[in-house]
Amino acid sequence: AAGVIQSPRHLIKEKRETATLKCYPIPRHDTVYWYQQGPGQDPQFLISFYEKMQSDKGSIPDRFSAQQFSDYHSELNMSSLELGDSALYFCASSPWGLLAGRSNEQFFGPGTRLTVL
Amino acid sequence: KQEVTQIPAALSVPEGENLVLNCSFTDSAIYNLQWFRQDPGKGLTSLLLIQSSQREQTSGRLNASLDKSSGRSTLYIAASQPGDSATYLCAAQGGSEKLVFGKGTKLTVNP
Repeated sequence: AAGVIQSPRHLIKEKRETATLKCYPIPRHDTVYWYQQGPGQDPQFLISFYEKMQSDKGSIPDRFSAQQFSDYHSELNMSSLELGDSALYFCASSPWGLLAGRSNEQFFGPGTRLTVL
Repeated sequence: KQEVTQIPAALSVPEGENLVLNCSFTDSAIYNLQWFRQDPGKGLTSLLLIQSSQREQTSGRLNASLDKSSGRSTLYIAASQPGDSATYLCAAQGGSEKLVFGKGTKLTVNP
């Protein structure tokens, strides 16, 4: 079965550089979520999209932005990278979000490990 | 604000033992509760999802229960195996779509 695809799997950047993480949801899933998991921490919600519109926002720094495109893939753009941004970034997708009146299982991708030097 | 707590933080058991992992949440107005497995440095594998109208879900040797009124969920693992060694995370989904995670229980099953 198709799973959530994230690219790249590993990324090394210098401080103050920019990074773009990509997420390709499971086919026919229209809701995408982004989470950040720091070393030894639990995953923290960043932002979500339903039908290409932002549906919820968590503890996402102003230096970060994200969007969902017409083919439902999503990109997380990170600028002015800091050492503290080093983390595992997960994308998850679900068939429909709460905006559609249902709750659903979120399926996670393998994550992108970002290291900021 | 939803807060999720998992007890114990770590657990070490001999192979073959049955075990219970505990998860509690502060806001009982949840839509569902999801249990995940995470191997070191790896992604999150969904194990079970219990919707708010359900009391339990089963998959193989795993059984998860949900008591919304008391704000608790348990994950029961029968006949544990060394391959079950991982960190187990529970996550609650409430009125917003985001999942709020606990800090996990690190399970080690010794041969």
